[in-house]
Amino acid sequence: DAEITQSPRHKITETGRQVTLACHQTWNHNNMFWYRQDLGHGLRLIHYSYGVQDTNKGEVSDGYSVSRSNTEDLPLTLESAASSQTSVYFCASSGGTSLNNEQFFGPGTRLTVL
Amino acid sequence: ELKVEQNPLFLSMQEGKNYTIYCNYSTTSDRLYWYRQDPGKSLESLFVLLSNGAVKQEGRLMASLDTKARLSTLHITAAVHDLSATYFCAGRMDSSYKLIFGSGTRLLVRP
Repeated sequence: DAEITQSPRHKITETGRQVTLACHQTWNHNNMFWYRQDLGHGLRLIHYSYGVQDTNKGEVSDGYSVSRSNTEDLPLTLESAASSQTSVYFCASSGGTSLNNEQFFGPGTRLTVL
Repeated sequence: ELKVEQNPLFLSMQEGKNYTIYCNYSTTSDRLYWYRQDPGKSLESLFVLLSNGAVKQEGRLMASLDTKARLSTLHITAAVHDLSATYFCAGRMDSSYKLIFGSGTRLLVRP
């Protein structure tokens, strides 16, 4: 069955370190998204991609970067982790040709920055 | 810019009762999504509403969309404990694959 996976599921790091969160989907979806979820803020879009070599900034992109070298993966990098980036991170994907444009979510990564 | 507001943000209800969660959005959105999230888990798609007047039902949940009023509702019928979760609605801006999420409604169904 097609799925979307994230790794690691839990990560503790220190302020100033570079951290990369992995997202891998086997839906063969063109569109991939990274969100962060914090209490009181719902889900906020960090970066998104509509295909290989395409990346775009979302509403809270400062301090984050992504790259898309293939269809399946969209890793999210925190260049220099800050305590404000402690959050739960969700990756999602959707098929551009689907009428529904429904997004499917990964299991999430809980990141703690000390 | 599309903004999505849900209310209430928290809802405590007794088993067997009916209630409605409201989702208002600020500008044109050609479709509306409802997701469910259990504590500590990911988001699960419940409904996709594609047009004005669309109504979808699954078990005790029924979602509807009124694009003229820019309103979607999620109606809960005869609530049971298993429905306790956080429910999110999300809108899509025209010609975009991005979704804009509401803040979520945390539903607690009490015995």
